[in-house]
Amino acid sequence: DTEVTQTPKHLVMGMTNKKSLKCEQHMGHRAMYWYKQKAKKPPELMFVYSYEKLSINESVPSRFSPECPNSSLLNLHLHALQPEDSALYLCASSPLYLLQETQYFGPGTRLLVL
Amino acid sequence: DAKTTQPPSMDCAEGRAANLPCNHSTISGNEYVYWYRQIHSQGPQYIIHGLKNNETNEMASLIITEDRKSSTLILPHATLRDTAVYYCIVRETPYNQGGKLIFGQGTELSVKP
Repeated sequence: DTEVTQTPKHLVMGMTNKKSLKCEQHMGHRAMYWYKQKAKKPPELMFVYSYEKLSINESVPSRFSPECPNSSLLNLHLHALQPEDSALYLCASSPLYLLQETQYFGPGTRLLVL
Repeated sequence: DAKTTQPPSMDCAEGRAANLPCNHSTISGNEYVYWYRQIHSQGPQYIIHGLKNNETNEMASLIITEDRKSSTLILPHATLRDTAVYYCIVRETPYNQGGKLIFGQGTELSVKP
């Protein structure tokens, strides 16, 4: 099973709302990732978790707050977002024991900030 | 910044081979070349990767030049379902941290009947 699941599929939120995106994998992978993808642009890395610890933060604004409660689950907490944060948010995971390991992506959550 | 350059778009006739080129002239010795594709509004899908030898799997073949400065992804018999954006990525791999995938602009492949 090479499936990464993401919920919800779509989310509409106001600028004062607090919401969370959820990502789950049951492949035993120990690295998990958040990417952001604007329309007609390639995905951009936001965060990397390795062994449930944040290992890479690509200078993402604090209104995005990642959390990795366990090795199978990754959350992205959203607060006080701006309309320009509207995008497809992609989660990925990888095994983390091979230098040439493959990242597997979920289908994404399409976020609209009003 | 992405370490790869790809043509922005290509067309291919259904049933023919699609050959997608990628330049990565600054690749270093321990960096792998990865190919992913993204069908409209879906998550990227892994296709294949390689270091220096040619690779083949059930989806595609990857041909890497001897100097490793360029590669070609080959879809042997393209179908309409292969219409997607194809990304060639040179993978930065800080050991034990999870590798960064830096996506370039990709090639938009249109397979036509």
